[in-house]
Amino acid sequence: KQEVTQIPAALSVPEGENLVLNCSFTDSAIYNLQWFRQDPGKGLTSLLLIQSSQREQTSGRLNASLDKSSGRSTLYIAASQPGDSATYLCAVPDNYGQNFVFGPGTRLSVLP
Amino acid sequence: EAQVTQNPRYLITVTGKKLTVTCSQNMNHEYMSWYRQDPGLGLRQIYYSMNVEVTDKGDVPEGYKVSRKEKRNFPLILESPSPNQTSLYFCASSALAGYGNQPQHFGDGTRLSIL
Repeated sequence: KQEVTQIPAALSVPEGENLVLNCSFTDSAIYNLQWFRQDPGKGLTSLLLIQSSQREQTSGRLNASLDKSSGRSTLYIAASQPGDSATYLCAVPDNYGQNFVFGPGTRLSVLP
Repeated sequence: EAQVTQNPRYLITVTGKKLTVTCSQNMNHEYMSWYRQDPGLGLRQIYYSMNVEVTDKGDVPEGYKVSRKEKRNFPLILESPSPNQTSLYFCASSALAGYGNQPQHFGDGTRLSIL
């Protein structure tokens, strides 16, 4: 059964720093991996989706990489801003691509 | 505006009183899903649907029912709610069901308290 972990559980950085969030999964036979952002009391917002055939995806200051063989993905946030403060979650579908398993999330605080 | 709409946003009710949480999407998505989010346990999938009249169990289906009679709607039914179903519930949808190839869109959540 797929298991997803995220490190660190929480992170506090000063504004302007570049930072890396990590996501690990136990079964490397994934179709894709998706990164989400969740603000307190809100739903999840999709940030980036990386297909299994891709190695990275970029959107603005965000860059996500995927290494299927090692079961890892990283989310890189450049020049962090207070507005980036949120919980970041990664998710992968199961072997059939229908049932999604989420990581526990990394709670990020960017201090002004 | 493309969106997933859940109702109600908040509900306090008592054990055993049947309730339904509605979910509707306006993006013509084939795939819809329900999750619950609990502190320390994260997001867990309850049920999902690949298309109309096609539903399947996720990781924590016990105590829940769903139906998919129309493409846009995917209600979550608690026939006899119990306190352990107190949680934050999310509905999500995505296009191209099968391999989750498109990003999932989430509703704003329903906070459910069962006394």
